[in-house]
Amino acid sequence: KQEVTQIPAALSVPEGENLVLNCSFTDSAIYNLQWFRQDPGKGLTSLLLIQSSQREQTSGRLNASLDKSSGRSTLYIAASQPGDSATYLCAVRRTLLLKFYFGSGTKLNVKP
Amino acid sequence: DGGITQSPKYLFRKEGQNVTLSCEQNLNHDAMYWYRQDPGQGLRLIYYSQIVNDFQKGDIAEGYSVSREKKESFPLTVTSAQKNPTAFYLCASSTLTSGGTTSTDTQYFGPGTRLTVL
Repeated sequence: KQEVTQIPAALSVPEGENLVLNCSFTDSAIYNLQWFRQDPGKGLTSLLLIQSSQREQTSGRLNASLDKSSGRSTLYIAASQPGDSATYLCAVRRTLLLKFYFGSGTKLNVKP
Repeated sequence: DGGITQSPKYLFRKEGQNVTLSCEQNLNHDAMYWYRQDPGQGLRLIYYSQIVNDFQKGDIAEGYSVSREKKESFPLTVTSAQKNPTAFYLCASSTLTSGGTTSTDTQYFGPGTRLTVL
């Protein structure tokens, strides 16, 4: 069974810092990996999706990388802002099956 | 506006009651999903459906039931058999991959329903 782990569970940084969130998974036979943002009491908003054949995806200040062989993905946030404060979750899709496995998230606090 | 709606936002259930959570999407997505989220934890898959009148159990289907009579609707019933139903429930949808080199299967989520057992 696919296990997805996110470290750290919580992170607090001053505004303006660049930061990296980590996601690791146990089974490298993935179809894609997706990063989401969740604000308190809200649903998930998709940030980036990386196909298994890709190495990275970028959107604005966000860059996500994927290394299938080592079972790792990172989400890089440049020049963090207080508005980036939220919980960030990664999800791995297993091959062609419609099953997604989620990590427990990293709760980010960006201090003004 | 295309998106996913869930209702109600808050739901209270008494012991022994069945309750139904609504999920509607107007994104013309084939696949729909129900997840449960407990505090400090990731999402766990309850049920998913790829097509009308067909659905599959996820990892924690016991005590839950679903139906998929219309493409845009995927209601979840939390039955009295679910012993610990207090949680945040999230509905999602996505397209199905064509099997080619390009996939558009980003999952889109609704705003969630918070269920509390009294």
